[in-house]
Amino acid sequence: NAGVTQTPKFQVLKTGQSMTLQCAQDMNHNSMYWYRQDPGMGLRLIYYSASEGTTDKGEVPNGYNVSRLNKREFSLRLESAAPSQTSVYFCASSEGGGQQFFGPGTRLTVL
Amino acid sequence: RKEVEQDPGPFNVPEGATVAFNCTYSNSASQSFFWYRQDCRKEPKLLMSVYSSGNEDGRFTAQLNRASQYISLLIRDSKLSDSATYLCVVRSGTSGTYKYIFGTGTRLKVLA
Repeated sequence: NAGVTQTPKFQVLKTGQSMTLQCAQDMNHNSMYWYRQDPGMGLRLIYYSASEGTTDKGEVPNGYNVSRLNKREFSLRLESAAPSQTSVYFCASSEGGGQQFFGPGTRLTVL
Repeated sequence: RKEVEQDPGPFNVPEGATVAFNCTYSNSASQSFFWYRQDCRKEPKLLMSVYSSGNEDGRFTAQLNRASQYISLLIRDSKLSDSATYLCVVRSGTSGTYKYIFGTGTRLKVLA
């Protein structure tokens, strides 16, 4: 089992460019999450999907959109990147309120 | 006040020492508690869940105090490889609305 995979691992964007971060899990989990991690801030929830077909805003959703493509895949889109979105992005999945499993992260720099 | 608070450290301890971290949470309805370990530039990984009666996994012991709303992690006989950031995670909500709140982490450095 690969667990949770994310692509790309690194990305540099210019202000105003768009991109999609991909996430997939092979554990048959219903719930998937997108977090960002900034120094001194801890992990903050951007969006989550409790089950296939549903998505909800988290703590910091502005500037992002998500798509739960199917049970396995949950993508995060930045429509018009801003320097404030420079961060490390983690995707996670879980089942039944149990532990979350995290992907390896995407390091995004917006110039 | 943050929902989950941790001392950021760093805690610098010699090999073999015992070190303890505390984490306080504000939501009395929180249901599940976890300690995660995060190595530099890596993803968080579950270290252990925290059960009401306390639990132990080798050199690691976790305790929960619901009355005072804090959880603790004790590491005995510290190893160099224990150097990492330890994240406290608190879960609340019900099926379909589970909410995981992360502390900012406590950094541990074990020195030779």
